[in-house]
Amino acid sequence: QKEVEQDPGPLSVPEGAIVSLNCTYSNSAFQYFMWYRQYSRKGPELLMYTYSSGNKEDGRFTAQVDKSSKYISLFIRDSQPSDSATYLCAMSAVQAGTALIFGKGTTLSVSS
Amino acid sequence: EAQVTQNPRYLITVTGKKLTVTCSQNMNHEYMSWYRQDPGLGLRQIYYSMNVEVTDKGDVPEGYKVSRKEKRNFPLILESPSPNQTSLYFCASSSPWESNQPQHFGDGTRLSIL
Repeated sequence: QKEVEQDPGPLSVPEGAIVSLNCTYSNSAFQYFMWYRQYSRKGPELLMYTYSSGNKEDGRFTAQVDKSSKYISLFIRDSQPSDSATYLCAMSAVQAGTALIFGKGTTLSVSS
Repeated sequence: EAQVTQNPRYLITVTGKKLTVTCSQNMNHEYMSWYRQDPGLGLRQIYYSMNVEVTDKGDVPEGYKVSRKEKRNFPLILESPSPNQTSLYFCASSSPWESNQPQHFGDGTRLSIL
């Protein structure tokens, strides 16, 4: 079993839809959870960062961590064509900035 | 502006011709790292550096070298490139000990080894 599993998609939704992106993991020591967004021909850009369990909201984006289920989610409300990108989850057991284990990314396409 | 800068952005070269990809960050970060990104395999760490003169292997270090002589720079060296090193490379940096912040990434270097 891989440490971090992420459905690669692609996921296609109409503008305005609510998008749910998910990752599961096997290492119970993970305590730092991140979501990165990667546009074509660009580097990953940090979108959300959560320590331990719980929810975090930032504008249209909500990150959820359920450590009991080893499951993290990213919700995008009122999706826009500009949200079309690849979304990568990343986790660390040590510190948020080191020893990251990445999911393979989910490609999202939002059509207008 | 806080950034991680990689050069070159694109490079096509031939097998065996030594090359260096430079990485520089202006955020005074201690931690720097190199990744390669391949379709179906995701981001894999090549090497990382906890601070000046401190480097260590990541998951896929074979065929690569790094050095960290200055805090801001972390070059990736391919001494004898081979076609299986054709990939998209990213440099990243962070300041985990001071503020426990996640990594910032450069915009990538696309290498093609013929």
